[in-house]
This record gives sequence, C-alpha cells and structure tokens, in this order.
Amino acid sequence: GQNIDQPTEMTATEGAIVQINCTYQTSGFNGLFWYQQHAGEAPTFLSYNVLDGLEEKGRFSSFLSRSKGYSYLLLKELQMKDSASYLCAVRDRGSNYQLIWGAGTKLIIKP
Amino acid sequence: KAGVTQTPRYLIKTRGQQVTLSCSPISGHRSVSWYQQTPGQGLQFLFEYFSETQRNKGNFPGRFSGRQFSNSRSEMNVSTLELGDSALYLCASSLDPTSGSNEQFFGPGTRLTVL
Repeated sequence: GQNIDQPTEMTATEGAIVQINCTYQTSGFNGLFWYQQHAGEAPTFLSYNVLDGLEEKGRFSSFLSRSKGYSYLLLKELQMKDSASYLCAVRDRGSNYQLIWGAGTKLIIKP
Repeated sequence: KAGVTQTPRYLIKTRGQQVTLSCSPISGHRSVSWYQQTPGQGLQFLFEYFSETQRNKGNFPGRFSGRQFSNSRSEMNVSTLELGDSALYLCASSLDPTSGSNEQFFGPGTRLTVL
C-alpha cells in the first residue's frame, strides 16, 4: 500500500539548522515534493526530487534516497517566519500519478 | 499570471443543505485537484480532474462530487451537509499531473462551516 510518515511536530531555535524527515512506501515512485504551509494559508511549493541526492535552494535543501524510501528537508539559518507546517508528498505511478500526502510536520521556531 | 482562485472564500451552511465550491486554475493548467483539510490534519484528497475527466478519486462518500468544464474551471459539490464536513477546501492546479516536476499550485481555499 501507500504510506508517508513524518514527525508530527518539531521545535528549533532561531538561527539554527533543522532536518525534517519523510519516509514513504509507494508502488511506483515518480517524484517527491515538499510544501510549506503557514497557519491559515494555502501550501506553497518548496522543492522537488526525483533522483537520489541533494537539491539546494537558498536556505532550504532537500535530499532523496529512493532505495531507502527516505527524504529530508533541511532548513538552515532558521528565521521566525519559518514557523509553519511542512508537507511531504509523493507522486505514485501505481495510483495513476496521484500525489500521496503526509500529515505534515509542524515546525515551531523559538527565539 | 493570475494564481488559482476559489470562490467563495467563506461559507456558512446548516446540516442537510448542499454547497457548491468553485475553482479557477492558472491559465493553461488543465489539471485540478481538490483537498479537504481539517485543523491539525494533512491534506485529504477528494478528486482530480484533467481535461474534463475525473482521473483519480479519494475515499470520500458519494455526497462529494465534482466536475470540470471545458475552460478547466472546476466545481465541487457536497450534498446533505454534516457537521464533520466543516473544513478548509483547497483546490490546486497543475499543467499535467503525469509530467516531471510540475508542481501543484494551490488556491487560498474555501472555509466551510456547517452548523
């Protein structure tokens, strides 16, 4: 079956680094997405990985290991505005390319 | 380029009524997906339309239905509303759901309250 797991909540300090993990099981992996969602707002796209390795985009990086069914989102130099939920989603060929979503990780940044 | 728009933004209904929500995708996008989100919950997939055809459907009762028009605009309908239908309903559009990295762009959502 399909399953995506993320930690429910994480806390980090302003200026620090945090890593949010995502593990998945799908029948036909076809790409992994990370989205950010501030409270009361719509999700916005952060990153996409389809091949193994690290994709860097400013303060945010995303890593993928297809053999391990594992990804992480790395946030550096944390700012208060990074307080949000981070959603991991996998496109599944076995489900007609439907996006399968994790429940999201709520990240709390403390000064 | 205008983003995804959803109307109405807020809606209050009573149990037993029905409701229709509308979504206009980004110009050129032919795929529209609908999601339900309740407080503290992730996105629960409702359905996806591409070129006026329903491609995928989530595990929701038949009271939830949708359609897509030739201009890619989409509507979803919920009949016989229940208290548990109170949620944020999000619409997302993309170019082609099977193609590469094309991500979904989300609208601001319609917040439905059922009393």
